[in-house]
Amino acid sequence: KQEVTQIPAALSVPEGENLVLNCSFTDSAIYNLQWFRQDPGKGLTSLLLIQSSQREQTSGRLNASLDKSSGRSTLYIAASQPGDSATYLCAVSLSNDYKLSFGAGTTVTVRA
Amino acid sequence: SQTIHQWPATLVQPVGSPLSLECTVEGTSNPNLYWYRQAAGRGLQLLFYSVGIGQISSEVPQNLSASRPQDRQFILSSKKLLLSDSGFYLCAWEGQAGPQHFGDGTRLSIL
Repeated sequence: KQEVTQIPAALSVPEGENLVLNCSFTDSAIYNLQWFRQDPGKGLTSLLLIQSSQREQTSGRLNASLDKSSGRSTLYIAASQPGDSATYLCAVSLSNDYKLSFGAGTTVTVRA
Repeated sequence: SQTIHQWPATLVQPVGSPLSLECTVEGTSNPNLYWYRQAAGRGLQLLFYSVGIGQISSEVPQNLSASRPQDRQFILSSKKLLLSDSGFYLCAWEGQAGPQHFGDGTRLSIL
């Protein structure tokens, strides 16, 4: 069974600092890995999707890396802003079986 | 563009009452559809997924059931709610190449 762990559980940084969020998974035979953002009481918004053959994906200030062999992904958010405050969730799928296994998330607070 | 609608946004139900949550998707055909539950302080748990009309796969044994009567409609139901059914229920859809797109969720409280 795929286990997904996100460390730290919570993070508080001053505005302008770069954010580094970590995700680890136990089974390296993944199909893809996704990063989501969740605002309080809301659904999830997809941020980045990395296919198993890729090593990273970038979108604006966001960059996600994937190291399948070590079972790790890192989400970098450059020059953080108060609007980046949210919970960030990592999820992986094994082969093409439609199922995502989620981590418990990292709750980020960016202080103005 | 594709959109996903979930309703109601919040629901308070007594123990033993029935449940029906609806999810519809617009702007895409033959999506994969998913129901998740997010309990307080825990990650998302996949409850059901569907790859086509009438095709439902259940991930965990529970008090809930799902149906897909139309291509872009996914319904989560229960005949008798338990206290443990409380949580935040999320519907999601996915096209051929991902990613999954989520609705705004339904906050279900059981009294």
